[in-house]
Amino acid sequence: GNSVTQMEGPVTLSEEAFLTINCTYTATGYPSLFWYVQYPGEGLQLLLKATKADDKGSNKGFEATYRKETTSFHLEKGSVQVSDSAVYFCALRSRGGGNKLTFGTGTQLKVEL
Amino acid sequence: EAGVAQSPRYKIIEKRQSVAFWCNPISGHATLYWYQQILGQGPKLLIQFQNNGVVDDSQLPKDRFSAERLKGVDSTLKIQPAKLEDSAVYLCASSMEGDSSYEQYFGPGTRLTVT
Repeated sequence: GNSVTQMEGPVTLSEEAFLTINCTYTATGYPSLFWYVQYPGEGLQLLLKATKADDKGSNKGFEATYRKETTSFHLEKGSVQVSDSAVYFCALRSRGGGNKLTFGTGTQLKVEL
Repeated sequence: EAGVAQSPRYKIIEKRQSVAFWCNPISGHATLYWYQQILGQGPKLLIQFQNNGVVDDSQLPKDRFSAERLKGVDSTLKIQPAKLEDSAVYLCASSMEGDSSYEQYFGPGTRLTVT
């Protein structure tokens, strides 16, 4: 079946540091890949997505590239801010599987001044 | 545009009691989803509705969980009787349609604590 594995948190960084959150997946075929963000007290929000191999999703300074050869979709940001503190979820959606999302366990990011 | 609304935001009950959660999706969204998010885990789909019909309820524990969307708009998720392991955040999401080209929008969730 489908599964998503994320690096465990919490990840604590200083403001302006470089961020990488690792995500690997197992799925049949070629799924679409997503990063969602959950700020404290709020619902999940779509941060970025990629629908085919070598696609790069980007939003708000965050980027992730769909790597089929390594089945990975690592999230990166060059310079984090305190306002980026949140929980980040990697997710996949299989082709032909309707709109069902399979999520990773989430990685909490804390950014300090 | 108003987002997905859920109530209550928090609920504490004792085991073996019953509880119900309510969700109002974004206006015009035909597809509605209920997810269960246990602490330290990612959200898991419990049930998906297309209008008022069930598309996928394969991971819904049907002996104690039930959900309905009678008029194809609002939805209610019920647990009866609750167990300690049901403590989780229950997320509701909606999308315009149920196929893969449509983004899911999530509500803030209902945090359930079973004691």
